[in-house]
Amino acid sequence: QVQLVQSGAEVKKPGSSVKVSCKASGDTFSNSAISWVRQAPGQGLEWMGGIIPLFGTTDYAQKFQGRVTISADQSTTTAYLELSSLRPEDTAIYFCARVPSLYQNLWHDYWGQGTLVAVSS
Amino acid sequence: EIVLTQSPGTLSLSPGERATLSCRASQSVSSSYLAWYQQKPGQAPRLLIYGASTRASGVPDRFSGSGSGTDFTLTISRLEPEDFAVYYCQQYLSSFTFGGGTKVEIK
Repeated sequence: QVQLVQSGAEVKKPGSSVKVSCKASGDTFSNSAISWVRQAPGQGLEWMGGIIPLFGTTDYAQKFQGRVTISADQSTTTAYLELSSLRPEDTAIYFCARVPSLYQNLWHDYWGQGTLVAVSS
Repeated sequence: EIVLTQSPGTLSLSPGERATLSCRASQSVSSSYLAWYQQKPGQAPRLLIYGASTRASGVPDRFSGSGSGTDFTLTISRLEPEDFAVYYCQQYLSSFTFGGGTKVEIK
């Protein structure tokens, strides 16, 4: 059974950084990729980027290039999303989600519960 | 970037009615690279359909997906009370993008 458990809510000041974690159960890290998707209040879903933990390879949406870093620790089967230079419009729920393939883009079949990041002065 | 446009924005229907949701892509995503998700308030999205027409595990057969190229449809044959939610399409041919969503609300 695949489970993705995310870290708790964060409140941040503009200009600071935030790091959100996503712990995966089972053998997720050996056969899957992890994406990060965000959802601003009342808005739709936005893919930010992803990582293949087994290989360490990352891919980022152009919108977030230079401001986002996605990493993974295989020893703890935990993926991380770090977003820097935070602004109020980064206030959103951040989800991690599994892509069930190492070698191609596929659907997101399991999702974490989401982490609220609020950016306010 | 492949842009997905969902219509209508909101669908007001009664339980037992049929719901037809549309997703149009700015360029072809073939017949295989399209997924549908359901999201209820306060919850993470749930995968319903992948490969445009394959139901995910545990998804009731009242949900069906169809289409290819640039035009895709999610159909809910008879709405149950638990089906009132927001639905998103997603393409995974070229990176990942989501449509803006269709809210299915109780009339």
